[in-house]
Formats: sequence, C-alpha cells, structure tokens
Amino acid sequence: DGGITQSPKYLFRKEGQNVTLSCEQNLNHDAMYWYRQDPGQGLRLIYYSQIVNDFQKGDIAEGYSVSREKKESFPLTVTSAQKNPTAFYLCASSIGSHQPQHFGDGTRLSIL
Amino acid sequence: QKEVEQNSGPLSVPEGAIASLNCTYSDRGSQSFFWYRQYSGKSPELIMSIYSNGDKEDGRFTAQLNKASQYVSLLIRDSQPSDSATYLCAVKPGGSYIPTFGRGTSLIVHP
Repeated sequence: DGGITQSPKYLFRKEGQNVTLSCEQNLNHDAMYWYRQDPGQGLRLIYYSQIVNDFQKGDIAEGYSVSREKKESFPLTVTSAQKNPTAFYLCASSIGSHQPQHFGDGTRLSIL
Repeated sequence: QKEVEQNSGPLSVPEGAIASLNCTYSDRGSQSFFWYRQYSGKSPELIMSIYSNGDKEDGRFTAQLNKASQYVSLLIRDSQPSDSATYLCAVKPGGSYIPTFGRGTSLIVHP
C-alpha cells in the first residue's frame, strides 16, 4: 500500500535536546514538505524539498533542520534552538507542482 | 501576501441537509484548488481537487470554482454526523509547489 509514514506518533523532548521526526514515502513523489500545526491554527510550512539533495526554508524554519539524501525520506530535526516546539507536525508529499499534497498521520511533540 | 480566507465557523447543519463551505483567495494567478477534511487530532485528508471553472462532483461532494470572483466552494449533500470535521481550503499558484492553506471551517452535523 502506497503512503506516507511518520514516526513516532508521539514524542517528548527534554530541555536542550534535539529530536528527529521521521518521514518516509513510497509514492515515488518528488516533493516533500514539513508543516507545523498548533491548536486552532492553520498549517505553517517549515521546510520543503522538490528534489533529492535540495531543500528550501518555509515560513518558520528557525530552530529546525532537514535533510533529503534519498527520494523516499525527509527527516526533520527539532533543535534546542526551537523554544516552543510543542505542536502537531505533519509531513506531506506531492508528485508535481499542480498536484495536491498527501499527508502522513503526523507526530505530536511535547516538552517534558 | 497570498491569502486564503475561510469562515472559521462552526457551521452547524442538521443531518441530511446540504452543507456549503466557502473559500476566497487573493492571488489571481492561482491554478490549483484543493479541499481537505481534518478530523480532530488527525491529519488532513484530500477530498477534492479542482482546476477549471465550474462544478466537479464526487459522490456527495461538489467543488465549485469561480476564478473571476476568486472563490472556491465545497457542497456536501445529505450531510452525515461523520462529516463533522474541519475543512481546509488550499490554493496553489501556477507552477508552484507550495499551496496556501486557509485556517479551515469547522462543520458540525447534528442528528
């Protein structure tokens, strides 16, 4: 079954710790994205990647980092510089510029 | 600044009624339009895509696009309590990979 897998489903971060959220897709999509969603808020773009080994900052990239070494994988690291990391993180992918994004099930990150 | 506006709601309709959700956008260069459904605590799920003016029907859902007036709407016929969710409108400019999302409209279908 094709889809986008995000793990873990829930993650807890201690002060000063970096944590990495996994996103893997087997849809053969070129583009991948990371969004953050806060309660009652819209989706905010963190980073996106249109091709392997290339990625661009979104609207709220500070305190986050990504890599795109393989087409299937786009992990997001939430660094200790991100002072308010508690949110619902969504990974998405799309096949092209006119096509819709498809989302994974999300990772819920909280501070311990 | 590209904007996508949606009434936050909640929009409350009785079971069996037609629910009408609206979305306006500011970028006249927009060419791709999407509706997503998001249940509480879950990720957005694509319901409809529409690219040209007019209506597009899929089961109980109809998307309507009017580029001249810069709005896109979603009609849900025979609304069911299971349709209760937040509906997100997303708009993409031509040639862009990045959509602009509205904040969503909360729909409540009561029995």
